[in-house]
Amino acid sequence: GENVEQHPSTLSVQEGDSAVIKCTYSDSASNYFPWYKQELGKGPQLIIDIRSNVGEKKDQRIAVTLNKTAKHFSLHITETQPEDSAVYFCAAHTPAAGNKLTFGGGTRVLVKP
Amino acid sequence: EPEVTQTPSHQVTQMGQEVILRCVPISNHLYFYWYRQILGQKVEFLVSFYNNEISEKSEIFDDQFSVERPDGSNFTLKIRSTKLEDSAMYFCASRGVGGPYNEQFFGPGTRLTVL
Repeated sequence: GENVEQHPSTLSVQEGDSAVIKCTYSDSASNYFPWYKQELGKGPQLIIDIRSNVGEKKDQRIAVTLNKTAKHFSLHITETQPEDSAVYFCAAHTPAAGNKLTFGGGTRVLVKP
Repeated sequence: EPEVTQTPSHQVTQMGQEVILRCVPISNHLYFYWYRQILGQKVEFLVSFYNNEISEKSEIFDDQFSVERPDGSNFTLKIRSTKLEDSAMYFCASRGVGGPYNEQFFGPGTRLTVL
C-alpha cells in the first residue's frame, strides 16, 4: 500500500522567514495530495491541496509543488507568522484504496517572534 | 460554516469495556471516515463508509471494531472490548460528492484513554 514519509519532524523558524516541508510517496497511482494543519486540541484542517496533473499551486503565503517523477511534494510557507505555529501533515490519496488518505508523520512548526 | 462534530471529547474506559464514539458529519456529505492518531504517531486510516456500507478498511479495523449510521445523521465507531493499545485520538471525517478531490473535513477528535 501507499507509504508517505515527511521531513523534518520539527522545524523552528524566525518570524518572517520561509518554512519548507517535504514529503515523498511510494504509490505512483496516488493522484491527490492535501496538506493539513492541526492546531492544539483540534482536528486537521485542509490548507492547500494539489492534484497529480498540476505541478504547483499557490494560495497567498502558502504554495505546494509536486514532482510526479520523483514522487515527492513540498509545502512552502513564506513570511511566516506566529499563528503559523502548528503541526502540518501531508497526505496522499490513492484511487484504488477506497478514497482513504495516507498521512505523513507530521511536522511541528514553531515560528519564533 | 458547516463542521464535523464529535462526542465525547474525552473518553476514559477500563480495558475490556465497550465504547461508542459518536460523530455528526456535515449534513449533505455522503462519504464518512474514521482515522486514529496514537500520541506522537501518524494519523492512520481505519475505515471508510458509503451508502450504508463499509467501502474500505485497514488491517487495524478488526472484528472488535464496527461502524454504523443509525439515524441518517450520526456516524458511530464502536470498539467492543477495548485494549490498552486502543488509546488514541479518534477523528471522524466526511466528504461530499464530486469525486475524490473533494476535501475531507475532520472533526475535533475524541481522545480515548484505556486503563
